[in-house]
Order: sequence, then C-alpha cells, then structure tokens
Amino acid sequence: GAVVSQHPSRVICKSGTSVKIECRSLDFQATTMFWYRQFPKKSLMLMATSNEGSKATYEQGVEKDKFLINHASLTLSTLTVTSAHPEDSSFYICSADQGSNQPQHFGDGTRLSIL
Amino acid sequence: DAKTTQPNSMESNEEEPVHLPCNHSTISGTDYIHWYRQLPSQGPEYVIHGLTSNVNNRMASLAIAEDRKSSTLILHRATLRDAAVYYCILRPTGNQFYFGTGTSLTVIP
Repeated sequence: GAVVSQHPSRVICKSGTSVKIECRSLDFQATTMFWYRQFPKKSLMLMATSNEGSKATYEQGVEKDKFLINHASLTLSTLTVTSAHPEDSSFYICSADQGSNQPQHFGDGTRLSIL
Repeated sequence: DAKTTQPNSMESNEEEPVHLPCNHSTISGTDYIHWYRQLPSQGPEYVIHGLTSNVNNRMASLAIAEDRKSSTLILHRATLRDAAVYYCILRPTGNQFYFGTGTSLTVIP
C-alpha cells in the first residue's frame, strides 16, 4: 500500500535552533500534503496544508513565519520550525493522499524536544 | 468543519466483536466518513471509509445509518493489537481532515 515516510523520527536540540522535518510519499505523487501537531494525550491538530508549487495554507492561529512549509516536488514536503523554543516541543505528523476522496496516509511522526 | 461525536473510551474482551459508534448529525451530502486509528507514538493508520453504503475490508466493517447522521465501526474479533485510539472523521470532497477527540479502545485479554 501507499507509504509516507517522515524523517527524522526524533529530534532533541537547544532552544533557538531551527529544525527541518521531511515528509515523502514513497510510491505515489502527492500534490497536497498536510502537517499536524499533537500534544500528549490530545488529538491531532491540523497546522497547514502544503500545496506543491505554491504557498502553504495555514490554519488559524498557526504562525507561518514560525512554521515554514516547502513543497518543492510531488513527493516531498518539508516543515521547518524556526528558532524553536521549549513550547514548540511536540509530536509532528505529516500526511498525504492519492486524490480526492481517497484515504490519507500518515507518516510515523517526529518527536521534537527543545531543551 | 463538520463535527463528530464519539465516546471517550470503550472496553472489549479479546476475540469479541467491537462496535465503535460515531455521531455526525451535521454531515453534508458530499462528506465522506473516514475511520483511522492511532497507536501511541505512531501516526494514524487508515481503517476504512465510505459515503453512503456499508463497507467491508480486511480490517473492519463500516455501517452507515440510512440518514448518514451516524456510523459504526465494527471490529469483528478484537485482538490486543486493536487497542488504540479510533478517530471518526468527516471529509468534504478534496478537503482537509479535522480530528475529533476519538475513542480509546481497551482490549481485555
């Protein structure tokens, strides 16, 4: 079945560092990918919709200058957490689908810990 | 975004069938009903989805009410590996997913 690969799976870094997370669709082309964050024992919260070749669409309350999204090809979207601080520590998850009304396929997530 | 309502938690005995309910009274005609499940520290896993008719696959069955205002995910024989948080999500055509709180399923050996 369709697979979405997310890398890295875990990051620990110092406050002020920028961190890039990659999301790849391995066996299909994804014109749209989605980024979520999840706090412990909470549900997933949609952050933004990543559109290939154009600007991402951010959900209300998500800072676009803080969470930079690039979708340069049909198989790769990246999320960069700029100047990360401890409050940015969270579980970040990406997803992609093969078209309208198809299931979404999720990456295994990235655990980000900012010291 | 259309809302769904699920019980916070449910329990099932191993090898028994499990019926996970979801209410979505504000569903519109083009909203697909999707079910996903999530194990701790993993991304969600697709389970099943449908529009109007009941659906079956190797993992589960989806029973959709005639008025589409509710649906039920059916796991025919629960195993310990089925313990997870199950999310019922409505997706308008081509649009984003918005996750609700989900149902935490505990399977008792």
